[in-house]
Amino acid sequence: SYDLTQPPSVSVSPGQTASIPCSGDKFGYRYACWYQQKPGQSPVLVIYQDTKRPSGIPERFSGSSSGNTATLTISGTQAMDEADYYCQAWDSNTVVFGGGTKLTVL
Amino acid sequence: QLQLQESGPGLVKPSETLSLTCTVSGGSISSSTYYWGWIRQPPGKGLEWIGDIYHSGNTYYNPSLKSRLTISVDTSRNQFSLKLTSVTAADTAVYYCARRSDRGSGSYFDLWGRGALVTVSS
Repeated sequence: SYDLTQPPSVSVSPGQTASIPCSGDKFGYRYACWYQQKPGQSPVLVIYQDTKRPSGIPERFSGSSSGNTATLTISGTQAMDEADYYCQAWDSNTVVFGGGTKLTVL
Repeated sequence: QLQLQESGPGLVKPSETLSLTCTVSGGSISSSTYYWGWIRQPPGKGLEWIGDIYHSGNTYYNPSLKSRLTISVDTSRNQFSLKLTSVTAADTAVYYCARRSDRGSGSYFDLWGRGALVTVSS
């Protein structure tokens, strides 16, 4: 089966840049997308097709992909960005989620 | 504005069948290029894709759940449904319905329901 691996946690100081990696085989042949989930809320799509940002998502959220790793970057991180982040890809007619990364802003 | 809303029992007994329905409002479930999916999240854990369905009835299922799973669609009611048989405590989770944009290798869920907590307990 296809697996996506994320670090369990990432910490960042307010105003700094946070990077959350997601590793998976052959990312060059498939797109990654990213979701933000705050406690008690539904996930929200923040990046799709590696680099695209849905309407309403702040410009400080960006995505990239190289080799076997997709990365979500949050520039000028704010306290409101503290949340769980999940990467997701499509492989062999199945949806695969990464295990999630808890972003702490401190 | 299109919205999704899950409904169904919040408590299911072990070995019985979990049934949920997602009602789509503000738009048509028969829109092209969209699949309609189910994702679940056990308490304190990550997201797990369950499966999804096109308005024509074409389905994709998580292989680990396939033997217990049925997803169906009712276009006349703008609803799609989930049935999971022989449930155990491991099936306790918040169940989300969501819209999946069908872009092949670039598929993503761009709209989610609020989620419904289903507890499996006697």
